[in-house]
Amino acid sequence: AQKITQTQPGMFVQEKEAVTLDCTYDTSDQSYGLFWYKQPSSGEMIFLIYQGSYDEQNATEGRYSLNFQKARKSANLVISASQLGDSAMYFCAMREGLSGTGTASKLTFGTGTRLQVTL
Amino acid sequence: KAGVTQTPRYLIKTRGQQVTLSCSPISGHRSVSWYQQTPGQGLQFLFEYFSETQRNKGNFPGRFSGRQFSNSRSEMNVSTLELGDSALYLCATSLEQGARTEAFFGQGTRLTVV
Repeated sequence: AQKITQTQPGMFVQEKEAVTLDCTYDTSDQSYGLFWYKQPSSGEMIFLIYQGSYDEQNATEGRYSLNFQKARKSANLVISASQLGDSAMYFCAMREGLSGTGTASKLTFGTGTRLQVTL
Repeated sequence: KAGVTQTPRYLIKTRGQQVTLSCSPISGHRSVSWYQQTPGQGLQFLFEYFSETQRNKGNFPGRFSGRQFSNSRSEMNVSTLELGDSALYLCATSLEQGARTEAFFGQGTRLTVV
């Protein structure tokens, strides 16, 4: 079974509009972290936002917010006031494992959503 | 504060050769992970190092190996290169291991095998 599912291969949004990128995850661990990364055509993976499984409040970082619904196992990224520079691939990722035990904790990625911001 | 540095940025190698890629983590970061990104397979985990020890390994052949030095810098090596090894290789570093630790990536090394 897919651990991270991103169902939107591509999205279009007009400049200055808000957009939601979907992400659902599957884990039996109680302690996990959810991440969103932006990858422009240059290839660099840019960290956007992080949500811990025990965090009660939704994470926010500037124009980015994470709509975390634990019971539904979803962690959607909301980008407000889209800009042309937001056009890129966006990846949702999860890191499982028991915190503080030294357990290795790889990131598992979804297949990504290509976002195009238009004028 | 300097970010994650990967060298070289681009590399062209011939089938059968070997290659070494380098990753210098953010200062203080002790965990380094490597990922391979291809259009067909997406992002796949290669291995993770923490305190000079390999802690986890993905499903890749033994031609892929790595190591971490005492200053947390890491290298990965691919021997006997195949055309299918052409990919973007990304490293990610974290302060420590653990699920709830933020991970930051370098710009990647784009390897082309001809």
